Amino acid sequence: AQKVTQAQTEISVVEKEDVTLDCVYETRDTTYYLFWYKQPPSGELVFLIRRNSFDEQNEISGRYSWNFQKSTSSFNFTITASQVVDSAVYFCALGWGKLQFGAGTQVVVTP
Amino acid sequence: SAVISQKPSRDICQRGTSLTIQCQVDSQVTMMFWYRQQPGQSLTLIATANQGSEATYESGFVIDKFPISRPNLTFSTLTVSNMSPEDSSIYLCSVFRVNTEAFFGQGTRLTVV
Repeated sequence: AQKVTQAQTEISVVEKEDVTLDCVYETRDTTYYLFWYKQPPSGELVFLIRRNSFDEQNEISGRYSWNFQKSTSSFNFTITASQVVDSAVYFCALGWGKLQFGAGTQVVVTP
Repeated sequence: SAVISQKPSRDICQRGTSLTIQCQVDSQVTMMFWYRQQPGQSLTLIATANQGSEATYESGFVIDKFPISRPNLTFSTLTVSNMSPEDSSIYLCSVFRVNTEAFFGQGTRLTVV
């Protein structure tokens, strides 16, 4: 069975602080994808990144960066210099086709 | 990419009634799924919508309660039957393409009163 653990329920930061969201996963599959999605208060799911299980390169996109470590089954997400607009629930997900979602981490950024 | 149109975007329904949610994709996709997100919770997979055959349901979800149709590779419906307040959730349609992202519709926000 697949499992995704996001141990942080809520993280509160002041604007411009960095915030790191943890994601640990379990799977027996050799090929899988990992995803991060953002869900703002409006409710839609906003795709942030997809990572193939064979690609362990870290990635940076603007203020966002991701650290994929297969050895520890982790796929952590960092927001650098957070902004109020980053306030949302962030989900880590695992799968190939159908996805197993973590519980989500609520990020609250205050001015 | 894939553009998913999901209808209705929201509805308020009486308990005991049924609601059918439609999901239209702008291009053919093999893999299509339905998820439920209960208030304050994460997304849970309801079922895989199979084209031309019965849907494949996850543990805890049954066809009598959540009948799904998928007549072709661009369209699917999910019906929430005999609704109770516990069915109040966001229901999301999703499609998956290899080597790309999993695309989600904007969701149907259902409130059962």
